[in-house]
Amino acid sequence: QVQLQESGPGLVKPSQTLSLTCSVSGDSFSSGSYYWSWIRQPAGKGLEWIGRFYVGGVTEYNPSLKSRVIISQDTSENLLSLKLTSVTAADTAMYYCARGPPHGGTSGGHDYWGQGTLVTVSS
Amino acid sequence: DIQMTQSPSSLSASVGDRVTITCRASQNIYNYLHWYQQKPGRAPKLLIDAASTLQSGVPSRFSGSGLGTDFTLTISSLQPEDVATYYCEGTFSIPHTFGQGTKLEIK
Repeated sequence: QVQLQESGPGLVKPSQTLSLTCSVSGDSFSSGSYYWSWIRQPAGKGLEWIGRFYVGGVTEYNPSLKSRVIISQDTSENLLSLKLTSVTAADTAMYYCARGPPHGGTSGGHDYWGQGTLVTVSS
Repeated sequence: DIQMTQSPSSLSASVGDRVTITCRASQNIYNYLHWYQQKPGRAPKLLIDAASTLQSGVPSRFSGSGLGTDFTLTISSLQPEDVATYYCEGTFSIPHTFGQGTKLEIK
């Protein structure tokens, strides 16, 4: 059973860097079968795709956030990291990590999600 | 960016009703369209991917159809546990984009 668990500070000050990690069990980035994504959702609003990671460090980002975001694999093999710099109140949201889409051109969605972690940007 | 437009934004129906939610992409996304169900306080759950592939464990009253730019999620007989917000997502290109959501309630 694939499981994902996000963690990180729940409160970040404006202009600082938001740093989250996602622990994955039941699958491995090195399998190469999937991309691994970060998605966020402000309270009461819709979903926004932040970006995705593929084994070997291949990343793709939402252009709306590209200048501020880095997704990487942590030193531990199955930890996915999200860093978002220069945060403002507009970055306050629930942050989810999710598996998917499948790699290799096959159409597929995000089939496993973490429970999410709420990040508030406030001084 | 490819825009995903869902309709309606909210919907109230009776138990047993047939419910249809539509999603339109601003460009051809072939079958790179997926549907999610999100209940309050929970992460989204993948219901259908590749436009029409029902995920394991999802009740058969849910179905998806469409190709190209126009897609539909259908619930054949609405049940009380289907109260949720439903999102479509297109993953043909970067960035992946979600529809604005359809909030489904029981009348």
